[in-house]
Amino acid sequence: AQKVTQAQTEISVVEKEDVTLDCVYETRDTTYYLFWYKQPPSGELVFLIRRNSFDEQNEISGRYSWNFQKSTSSFNFTITASQVVDSAVYFCALSGAGSYQLTFGKGTKLSVIP
Amino acid sequence: DADVTQTPRNRITKTGKRIMLECSQTKGHDRMYWYRQDPGLGLRLIYYSFDVKDINKGEISDGYSVSRQAQAKFSLSLESAIPNQTALYFCATSDSYRSGYTFGSGTRLTVV
Repeated sequence: AQKVTQAQTEISVVEKEDVTLDCVYETRDTTYYLFWYKQPPSGELVFLIRRNSFDEQNEISGRYSWNFQKSTSSFNFTITASQVVDSAVYFCALSGAGSYQLTFGKGTKLSVIP
Repeated sequence: DADVTQTPRNRITKTGKRIMLECSQTKGHDRMYWYRQDPGLGLRLIYYSFDVKDINKGEISDGYSVSRQAQAKFSLSLESAIPNQTALYFCATSDSYRSGYTFGSGTRLTVV
């Protein structure tokens, strides 16, 4: 069975602050993929990143960075110098080689206050 | 045109009515999914299909049915809508567990 836990239900930060969204996962698969999606207030789901279980290098894309640690089964997402446009619900998700679906966490709602 | 198109985008219907949500894709993916999103509950899988002759129930299939009319089309039906089926519904496609999903824009359904 797969499970994704996003313990932070809601986070509020003031613009320009850094913020980290936590994601902890469980899987029995040795080969798996982790994802982050963004859902802005308009409602669509936007793909942000994919990471496979054999690649533990951290990734940076502009103000976004991701920290994957297999030892703690975590795939955390940091936004540096947050902006109002970052306000959204963020979902972490997991897909294992033995599974038929993408398993989502419950999401973290981020509010960036001007 | 969008890779995954859902119709309608918004729908208000009455309790007891039958309603169909449609999904079509141009990605050429075999795998198609229907998810439901409720505040605080994340996305929950309703049904999924890996090809035209393959239909499988997800974790919350009661009260729903699906039809895979073609590789590109996957419809979700509520046979007799009830208010607690009010939610945001997403269709998604995928070509393997490695690639994640391509989502439609969602259908916001309200049952009154």
